[in-house]
Amino acid sequence: NAGVTQTPKFQVLKTGQSMTLQCAQDMNHEYMSWYRQDPGMGLRLIHYSVGAGITDQGEVPNGYNVSRSTTEDFPLRLLSAAPSQTSVYFCASRPGQSLETQYFGPGTRLLVL
Amino acid sequence: AQSVTQLGSHVSVSEGALVLLRCNYSSSVPPYLFWYVQYPNQGLQLLLKYTSAATLVKGINGFEAEFKKSETSFHLTKPSAHMSDAAEYFCAVIKATGGGNKLTFGTGTQLKVEL
Repeated sequence: NAGVTQTPKFQVLKTGQSMTLQCAQDMNHEYMSWYRQDPGMGLRLIHYSVGAGITDQGEVPNGYNVSRSTTEDFPLRLLSAAPSQTSVYFCASRPGQSLETQYFGPGTRLLVL
Repeated sequence: AQSVTQLGSHVSVSEGALVLLRCNYSSSVPPYLFWYVQYPNQGLQLLLKYTSAATLVKGINGFEAEFKKSETSFHLTKPSAHMSDAAEYFCAVIKATGGGNKLTFGTGTQLKVEL
């Protein structure tokens, strides 16, 4: 199993550009989520999904969209990038809504100029 | 609402010394608590979790944590630090919601291990 994979590893955008951060998992996990990590703030939940076709907002959803058309993929879209979205983004998955271990991808470093 | 507070954003210990990373929780119901570790330029790995079974939880790499309800604490310890323990450590709590159990993280503690 590859686990949770994220692409790209690093991206530079100009303000106003759009892009999609890819996330995939091959463990047949129902629950997937996106976090952003900023210095001194820990990880904050952006969006999450409890299964294909179901998504919901987390703590900091503004400026981001998600969709979950398959169990495996959970892309995160930035519609119009802003410097405040410069961050490290982590995708995570776990089997369900219970207390199983959450598995994290390696992260995507995003710089918005 | 459940949340966690990590005391000390940076902790420095000597190799071989005790590691103590502090985490306090606020919860109106018995919480489910986790410690994650993040090595440089990597994602997060689960160290250990408390799910209301034993109050002393043992994790990977010699770490353990004790759930103390009277102190609302879940501090992470390791008897003897190793250079490879240098990383950032996050305490987290499950925040039960109607749509799913969300993992809420503390702000992290950077552990430095010196010779």
